[in-house]
Amino acid sequence: DTGVSQNPRHKITKRGQNVTFRCDPISEHNRLYWYRQTLGQGPEFLTYFQNEAQLEKSRLLSDRFSAERPKGSFSTLEIQRTEQGDSAMYLCASSLMNSNEQFFGPGTRLTVL
Amino acid sequence: AQTVTQSQPEMSVQEAETVTLSCTYDTSESDYYLFWYKQPPSRQMILVIRQEAYKQQNATENRFSVNFQKAAKSFSLKISDSQLGDAAMYFCAYRNLNSASNTGKLIFGQGTTLQVKP
Repeated sequence: DTGVSQNPRHKITKRGQNVTFRCDPISEHNRLYWYRQTLGQGPEFLTYFQNEAQLEKSRLLSDRFSAERPKGSFSTLEIQRTEQGDSAMYLCASSLMNSNEQFFGPGTRLTVL
Repeated sequence: AQTVTQSQPEMSVQEAETVTLSCTYDTSESDYYLFWYKQPPSRQMILVIRQEAYKQQNATENRFSVNFQKAAKSFSLKISDSQLGDAAMYFCAYRNLNSASNTGKLIFGQGTTLQVKP
């Protein structure tokens, strides 16, 4: 399967714990996006990478959130000191630089108890 | 700031019939793309159809077509000959093409859940 992959698919954690999600984009896609989707809502943009550079962050991305994309390949999204309001589906998408189509991964569903 | 609004939380259609999903958006930009994405239950989001704002001709992809009204900032999706596999949540999305902020991020509407009845 050469699509966008995300791990883990599901994560249950207790409030206050740290969690880290991983996204593997389609090979050679230099653009990578993270979105957050709460139940029954549309995805909301969190952050964007062009290769290894993080070029845009949403105001939704509080200081408890950090994302990296070392070497411009896979990306990680870490949430520190999780809160119940962080419960959501976290989606990753990738695209080529000159393409307007984003390819989405299956998402990581986070539940904070 | 750009916004996308889908005012129909749920829609249903009989198999083989036609259904139209509504979407309106707000932007002060002149160059942008509009998209419809499909998100089946527990499956990943896939692109259904896209429309470049500079094109007057409405986009068509097999049974899927759009009615793009730029002046009214309206972008509806028509699904003809509906099939059971069309049942999903459908999202309208906007992408700005302004070169100063062209990160390519998508702004989504709230979604419309489409039920297809056999």
